[in-house]
Amino acid sequence: DTEVTQTPKHLVMGMTNKKSLKCEQHMGHRAMYWYKQKAKKPPELMFVYSYEKLSINESVPSRFSPECPNSSLLNLHLHALQPEDSALYLCASSQVLQDTQYFGPGTRLTVL
Amino acid sequence: GQNIDQPTEMTATEGAIVQINCTYQTSGFNGLFWYQQHAGEAPTFLSYNVLDGLEEKGRFSSFLSRSKGYSYLLLKELQMKDSASYLCAVIRGTDKLIFGTGTRLQVFP
Repeated sequence: DTEVTQTPKHLVMGMTNKKSLKCEQHMGHRAMYWYKQKAKKPPELMFVYSYEKLSINESVPSRFSPECPNSSLLNLHLHALQPEDSALYLCASSQVLQDTQYFGPGTRLTVL
Repeated sequence: GQNIDQPTEMTATEGAIVQINCTYQTSGFNGLFWYQQHAGEAPTFLSYNVLDGLEEKGRFSSFLSRSKGYSYLLLKELQMKDSASYLCAVIRGTDKLIFGTGTRLQVFP
């Protein structure tokens, strides 16, 4: 089983809203990742968690706030986003850092 | 540096063979992945190379030359469902997966 699930599939929000993206895996993976992907571009790394601790923050604006409540869950809290933040947000997990990453189906976010 | 370059688009015919190249200059190289991504879907893992040479997996093979900073993905017996984007990605250090520009492959009947 190499399944990573993400909810919601689609999200439309205004610039003043607060929302959260959720990611879950039950493969016992200890590394989890958030990526942002714009149309016709490759995924760009945002955050890396290893053993529930933030390992990398790729200079992401503070309006994006990650959270790893336990080893199976990864959240991305969104607040005061801009229209240019509209993108596909992908979650991935791997056994440990440097191992093969398996991606979830993504959340397509539109900021109005 | 972390330049990872691929051709933007390629076309091929059903049943043919296609080779998608990837060149990289990233420092702290620790392995190279190939992913397939259909439009609007998540990337799916195809192959992983960390040592020089060819890795074969069914219709797909991937090659790596670390001294040349070069990899290719070889797709044989192309099928229409192989029309997708193919992403080369390099692990830099222990924790960063850096994606190349991606190659959009169109397979025609």
